[in-house]
Amino acid sequence: QVQLVESGGGVVQPGGSLRLSCEASGFTLSNYGMHWVRQVPGKGLEWVALIRYDGNNKYYADSVKGRFTISRDNSKNTLYLQMNSLRVEDTAVYYCANLTYWGQGTLVTVSA
Amino acid sequence: QSVLTQPPSASGTPGQRVTISCSGSSSNIGSNFVYWYQQLPGTAPKLLIYRSNQRPSGVPDRFSGSKSGTSASLAISGLRSEDEADYYCAAWDASLSGWVFGGGTKLTVL
Repeated sequence: QVQLVESGGGVVQPGGSLRLSCEASGFTLSNYGMHWVRQVPGKGLEWVALIRYDGNNKYYADSVKGRFTISRDNSKNTLYLQMNSLRVEDTAVYYCANLTYWGQGTLVTVSA
Repeated sequence: QSVLTQPPSASGTPGQRVTISCSGSSSNIGSNFVYWYQQLPGTAPKLLIYRSNQRPSGVPDRFSGSKSGTSASLAISGLRSEDEADYYCAAWDASLSGWVFGGGTKLTVL
């Protein structure tokens, strides 16, 4: 059974950092392109970042480029999103997904 | 303002057929596959259609996808109350080198 479980969300002040994790089970994460997608509560979906299956190519939305870094640890079958220089507008539920399977999301709140 | 344009709302009565449109450009829908997602309140998105017109196993054949040029559509036939949800289209955008989503369509079953 495929499962993606995110963790690491929480409350952080503007300018702060957080690292989100997404542990996969039931499939090998490195065989797939993996994404982070976020959603402000009550609003639409916004794609954040993609790491291709080979790990060599990473892509970011303009809104997070230079501040967020996507990575993965194949030995732990886990995807990460390092978020630096956080802004109030980064407040959202963050989902990891391979576009077929999605995690349940983890809430990040950036607030003073 | 989303790169892919969807109507903010749609509605239908039980048993009816409804369609939701998704308009893009040559750099996204025009040259790449379209994906459709259903999001029920308080839950993660669920894949309904991939590669523009393919259904994952377990998705009822009441749901179908199509693409023509720079636009795509999701059709739901035999509308049911449990279809009431938000629906999103998505595609890779070669100009942006990233994925783009539509703004979402809230489907109401009257």
